[in-house]
Amino acid sequence: AQSVSQHNHHVILSEAASLELGCNYSYGGTVNLFWYVQYPGQHLQLLLKYFSGDPLVKGIKGFEAEFIKSKFSFNLRKPSVQWSDTAEYFCAVIVGGATNKLIFGTGTLLAVQP
Amino acid sequence: EPEVTQTPSHQVTQMGQEVILRCVPISNHLYFYWYRQILGQKVEFLVSFYNNEISEKSEIFDDQFSVERPDGSNFTLKIRSTKLEDSAMYFCASTPRPIYGYTFGSGTRLTVV
Repeated sequence: AQSVSQHNHHVILSEAASLELGCNYSYGGTVNLFWYVQYPGQHLQLLLKYFSGDPLVKGIKGFEAEFIKSKFSFNLRKPSVQWSDTAEYFCAVIVGGATNKLIFGTGTLLAVQP
Repeated sequence: EPEVTQTPSHQVTQMGQEVILRCVPISNHLYFYWYRQILGQKVEFLVSFYNNEISEKSEIFDDQFSVERPDGSNFTLKIRSTKLEDSAMYFCASTPRPIYGYTFGSGTRLTVV
């Protein structure tokens, strides 16, 4: 079965630190990859997405992610985090073919300390 | 920016009661979904809906669950006889095309007592 793994369940950083959140998926075919963010008490918002072309994708709020096909990875990065980035981050994948459902990872809770 | 609207934002119901969660997807979207998130757990797929029928459903989506698109705008999730373990945040989502990503609503927090 397809799955999405996020290695870090809880990350604590100080403001201005760099961020990298890991994401791996377990499907070898065509995939579309996403990162969603959920701020406290709010709904899921799309940060960025990849479905073809340049493997380095840029999203909102200074986030970017790199698709490395050989590693089945789609890690999220931000060079300098802010307190307002405190949220839960979900990696998600749509597998090409019969299904069009979004499969989520378990999420990474990021706490940024001022 | 267009939004997916969900009502109510919070519903408390007694075990065994029926609940209907309502969603208004974005008007030109064609694919509709329900997901749920039990407190502290991952976001789980329940069901997808396209062309006025269910296109896929998960193991969670058993006979107690049903979805409807009763008119051109609403998309509802019904739970016929709620159980304590149905307590969760339920998210509706829509998209014009899945590879573009989904737009999620703000969710309905269902509490079964």
